[in-house]
Amino acid sequence: QKEVEQDPGPLSVPEGAIVSLNCTYSNSAFQYFMWYRQYSRKGPELLMYTYSSGNKEDGRFTAQVDKSSKYISLFIRDSQPSDSATYLCAMGDTGRRALTFGSGTRLQVQP
Amino acid sequence: NAGVTQTPKFQVLKTGQSMTLQCAQDMNHNSMYWYRQDPGMGLRLIYYSASEGTTDKGEVPNGYNVSRLNKREFSLRLESAAPSQTSVYFCASSPRGLAFEQYFGPGTRLTVT
Repeated sequence: QKEVEQDPGPLSVPEGAIVSLNCTYSNSAFQYFMWYRQYSRKGPELLMYTYSSGNKEDGRFTAQVDKSSKYISLFIRDSQPSDSATYLCAMGDTGRRALTFGSGTRLQVQP
Repeated sequence: NAGVTQTPKFQVLKTGQSMTLQCAQDMNHNSMYWYRQDPGMGLRLIYYSASEGTTDKGEVPNGYNVSRLNKREFSLRLESAAPSQTSVYFCASSPRGLAFEQYFGPGTRLTVT
């Protein structure tokens, strides 16, 4: 079983929809939770990060962490065609120096 | 600032050939990483260097070697390429103590025939 599980999609939504992207994990030591966005044939770019549990909002993006359920989410409000990309969750703990990534969910926002 | 740069962008190798993938960053970051990305597998860490002069194995180090040439540069070498090493390779860097804040290069697409 992978440490981090993520539905590969593709997830197709109409422009303006609210998008929910999710990851589950098994390692209770994870303390840092990140979302990276990767456009086709590009490198991933850091979108948001959260330490421990709770919510974090940045513009149209909201990241949620539920450590009791080992479940993290990224919500995108008023989705735009420019949001079409693959979204990777990633996690880390204070002991390890490297991150563990999910396999990514491909999102398509239809105009 | 160029950020993280990688060369080459594309490469085709025959089985058994060797090559070195180059990576450089101009953000004065301490840590650097090499990942491979395969369909359905996500990003898997090959090697990382927490600081100049140190390197550590990641999840999938077999068949690879690395060199942290200086603070800016971190190279990945395939000594005897195999078809299983066909992948997209990404280099990344992060500031000291902020492993989650990784900045990625554009990637190298490698095909081994």
